Amino acid sequence: GENVEQHPSTLSVQEGDSAVIKCTYSDSASNYFPWYKQELGKRPQLIIDIRSNVGEKKDQRIAVTLNKTAKHFSLHITETQPEDSAVYFCAASTGTASKLTFGTGTRLQVTL
Amino acid sequence: GAVVSQHPSWVICKSGTSVKIECRSLDFQATTMFWYRQFPKQSLMLMATSNEGSKATYEQGVEKDKFLINHASLTLSTLTVTSAHPEDSSFYICSGPSAGGIGEQFFGPGTRLTVL
Repeated sequence: GENVEQHPSTLSVQEGDSAVIKCTYSDSASNYFPWYKQELGKRPQLIIDIRSNVGEKKDQRIAVTLNKTAKHFSLHITETQPEDSAVYFCAASTGTASKLTFGTGTRLQVTL
Repeated sequence: GAVVSQHPSWVICKSGTSVKIECRSLDFQATTMFWYRQFPKQSLMLMATSNEGSKATYEQGVEKDKFLINHASLTLSTLTVTSAHPEDSSFYICSGPSAGGIGEQFFGPGTRLTVL
């Protein structure tokens, strides 16, 4: 089955700096790659996603890149703000049943 | 996006009792729902796929006799934790896939289970 690895496990940046989180996946059949932000005790919140027919997607301060050949995808957050502090999860799906395999998570802390 | 509700949002029970968690899709029909479990400071792990009108599909290592899943209608899936023990204490989250089976999943708010 699919295996998703995520790095780093923790990331501390100063407000205004950029943050990058990287994930790799194992199943070449995976074609949908969402990123979630989760605050303590709450459901995962989709912040951006990308499909395998696209190499990059951007939404304001957030961008995701996908390298299908290398089987890795990355989340980029620019101009970080304290409210970006949370745990971020990447995930992968083969799409046929939308079952998601999650990465191990990255705890992002944005300091003033 | 579509809305998924869960009930209860939290539950505390004694060891050995059973607990039922409901997951409802409020504005869409779901032939498939997913149940995830999340231990503190860990990732979401898929437990099983709930299929309307048929048996659930369990992930490897998940005891189907302990975690009973029923998908009675296109808007309701239930997870029953039978004979709960402290090690079952976790955050349980359900989700429903977007139409077409490819793409975004809509997550319920989760249920915090604490077994004493």
